Amino acid sequence: AQSVSQHNHHVILSEAASLELGCNYSYGGTVNLFWYVQYPGQHLQLLLKYFSGDPLVKGIKGFEAEFIKSKFSFNLRKPSVQWSDTAEYFCAPEYGNKLVFGAGTILRVKS
Amino acid sequence: AAGVIQSPRHLIKEKRETATLKCYPIPRHDTVYWYQQGPGQDPQFLISFYEKMQSDKGSIPDRFSAQQFSDYHSELNMSSLELGDSALYFCASSATGEPEAFFGQGTRLTVV
Repeated sequence: AQSVSQHNHHVILSEAASLELGCNYSYGGTVNLFWYVQYPGQHLQLLLKYFSGDPLVKGIKGFEAEFIKSKFSFNLRKPSVQWSDTAEYFCAPEYGNKLVFGAGTILRVKS
Repeated sequence: AAGVIQSPRHLIKEKRETATLKCYPIPRHDTVYWYQQGPGQDPQFLISFYEKMQSDKGSIPDRFSAQQFSDYHSELNMSSLELGDSALYFCASSATGEPEAFFGQGTRLTVV
């Protein structure tokens, strides 16, 4: 079955803290992987993506993610979060040309 | 750069009414996807179209139908609306050979 699991539903951090959001997906052969962010009241925006090649991918706003094939994981990281990173983050593997979204992680950054 | 355009942005309907949501993909994108995001929930895939043909189907109720037209825009038709249909409906588009999907700003449907 095609599934994706995000480990934390709510995360609260202080500014400048480091962030790591876990994401595991079910095996489905070659899979493209995405992280999307949804700021309060806004639409989904692409943070970063992995198709092939270097398993460490860098996205916008200082975010990066590491694809670990052996663990079926694609964890999102940021060394130092800002108040403006408060949003909901969705991991989304692509299965059969459609995105399957995880349940999302709501990140709140305290200033 | 042009983005995915959805209209209307907000829609209020009564139970048992009908709604039509429109999506205009990025120029030269040939694939359109529809997602439904209920309050506090993750986006759920509804249906997709490639070159005006349905390419995949997810958890779309029978009361809903969709199509993609010759200019690649898509419409999601929703009939016999129920309170539970209140959600944010996203459309996304992509181009052949480029798996990245770009999302529109969504249509917020409220059924009262």
